[in-house]
Amino acid sequence: DAKTTQPPSMDCAEGRAANLPCNHSTISGNEYVYWYRQIHSQGPQYIIHGLKNNETNEMASLIITEDRKSSTLILPHATLRDTAVYYCIVRVSGYGQNFVFGPGTRLSVLP
Amino acid sequence: EPEVTQTPSHQVTQMGQEVILRCVPISNHLYFYWYRQILGQKVEFLVSFYNNEISEKSEIFDDQFSVERPDGSNFTLKIRSTKLEDSAMYFCASSGQHYGYTFGSGTRLTVV
Repeated sequence: DAKTTQPPSMDCAEGRAANLPCNHSTISGNEYVYWYRQIHSQGPQYIIHGLKNNETNEMASLIITEDRKSSTLILPHATLRDTAVYYCIVRVSGYGQNFVFGPGTRLSVLP
Repeated sequence: EPEVTQTPSHQVTQMGQEVILRCVPISNHLYFYWYRQILGQKVEFLVSFYNNEISEKSEIFDDQFSVERPDGSNFTLKIRSTKLEDSAMYFCASSGQHYGYTFGSGTRLTVV
């Protein structure tokens, strides 16, 4: 699986958009970009994933650059409950493929 | 929304004892996983399980570990003789579609 690089920490004001970057310059054509988050010591929570098109769901938006070497997770209106560690993971889709979690980005949403 | 359920939420055991961590995956999922997270460290893959057999395992998953799906709903992780360094959060996950896994809320294992 391709390696990803994320900033170790970020702050965001409550109510503002949180933009979390991820570099994955060695991504291959069949690898998806997945985002998970972990709130405190809970189990990781799936947020969103994409291959090359931008994606949006009820939690977030995922913007993938045209060359697919980087992406940005956008939380449009961050709340205090969005304070968590966010993981960007690149891997092929399909059953049985395990996820390799890096250190992620610790997002602190400030009141 | 379907959930992965793990029990117990916290288990304390003496070094050398056997422990069994239990998980109920989402009912129509076919792949099951165990991950662990030592306090302050990364989430680490242990093992994946499909069609009643291990499909992949990490170096962490040595002979002290085993997994089992004893019936149609439960998925268990057994540690035969616990060591202090086995103290961690253990997360079960299951997957169905390609959009990723659903993780349980974890079992905190404390070995004393």
